[in-house]
Amino acid sequence: GEDVEQSLFLSVREGDSSVINCTYTDSSSTYLYWYKQEPGAGLQLLTYIFSNMDMKQDQRLTVLLNKKDKHLSLRIADTQTGDSAIYFCAESRAGGSYIPTFGRGTSLIVHP
Amino acid sequence: NAGVTQTPKFQVLKTGQSMTLQCAQDMNHNSMYWYRQDPGMGLRLIYYSASEGTTDKGEVPNGYNVSRLNKREFSLRLESAAPSQTSVYFCASSAQGKEKLFFGSGTQLSVL
Repeated sequence: GEDVEQSLFLSVREGDSSVINCTYTDSSSTYLYWYKQEPGAGLQLLTYIFSNMDMKQDQRLTVLLNKKDKHLSLRIADTQTGDSAIYFCAESRAGGSYIPTFGRGTSLIVHP
Repeated sequence: NAGVTQTPKFQVLKTGQSMTLQCAQDMNHNSMYWYRQDPGMGLRLIYYSASEGTTDKGEVPNGYNVSRLNKREFSLRLESAAPSQTSVYFCASSAQGKEKLFFGSGTQLSVL
């Protein structure tokens, strides 16, 4: 199976919360990331979490990590149309020289 | 502040032609990367350079060569392009390999 898995699509209404989920396979993953890709652009790091943390909050973004289940989620509160993009989960670890391995990306569509 | 600059933005090649994708960063980063992005496949690492003077294969290196010309520049060469190399190519850089990656805006390559 893939190292990092995500669902491909998520559709939400403007103003609702979005939750994007990710699972990974390697228990030695040290850093877990969320990147955002807007149309026609490269990826930009939104946030990252160390594997010894359970949660990280940054304004409208909340990252939750369940290390036991190897599950990472990104919650976007009060989702806006400008949040429409592809969101990539990624992990890195010492055994992989800390080079991120990316999931396939989740396309978030926000409709009025 | 330019960040990571890739050229060209678009390119169409015929099967068997060669070309070089250029990448330059102005952030004094040690590590540089080349990824390809295909629909539904996420990002896959082609080659990376942990520091000036070193290069290593990633997940999908076949059909590509790279050159770390100096600390700023990391080029990707297709010696004999094939339709399977039709993709969007992203260059990225990072300071020490553990922190976030900074991405260029991508090169959309079509091989006919």
